[in-house]
Amino acid sequence: DAGITQSPRHKVTETGTPVTLRCHQTENHRYMYWYRQDPGHGLRLIHYSYGVKDTDKGEVSDGYSVSRSKTEDFLLTLESATSSQTSVYFCAIMEGSDGYTFGSGTRLTVV
Amino acid sequence: EDQVTQSPEALRLQEGESSSLNCSYTVSGLRGLFWYRQDPGKGPEFLFTLYSAGEEKEKERLKATLTKKESFLHITAPKPEDSATYLCAVRRGSGSARQLTFGSGTQLTVLP
Repeated sequence: DAGITQSPRHKVTETGTPVTLRCHQTENHRYMYWYRQDPGHGLRLIHYSYGVKDTDKGEVSDGYSVSRSKTEDFLLTLESATSSQTSVYFCAIMEGSDGYTFGSGTRLTVV
Repeated sequence: EDQVTQSPEALRLQEGESSSLNCSYTVSGLRGLFWYRQDPGKGPEFLFTLYSAGEEKEKERLKATLTKKESFLHITAPKPEDSATYLCAVRRGSGSARQLTFGSGTQLTVLP
């Protein structure tokens, strides 16, 4: 299994502050994804990447940006956090035909 | 637009009481239907991928089946350790950068 690490695991931040979440993989997987998970909505795609510096928007990308300067790292930034961005954020990689491998998640609370 | 609907939202079973979870989907050119298990506070864990109608896959007490419109996750003689949220997802055939669209999940509780 690919090693995939998310940091931080938990974060509380104030409205209006910038926040960056990190996803790190230990293998050279091309595709990486950021999802958010909210009760009643399931997992929704925020952004994804198909290579270094190659990223695209998902279903709920407003208020979020991403960067991928190295294969192993995929960063998600909330430029100015809002209470509606309180959620659990999951990073995932695509491994062959077996769907995703997920990280353990980051629980973000915006107060 | 791809859509995935899971039912029921929650299911409580007695240990040993078999049942099925449903995943209905609408997708342009199905490239795979995925089942995941998610325990509280953890990321989803891959269970199965199904690719074509009529396909079935099994793992311990779980069996997943696929038709052209829905998938079922059958749980035979469940145990308390099968308690989790089960997620269904679909991947479309083209132009999707391999992204998955998820349903909202079924929260399964198995009582001893």
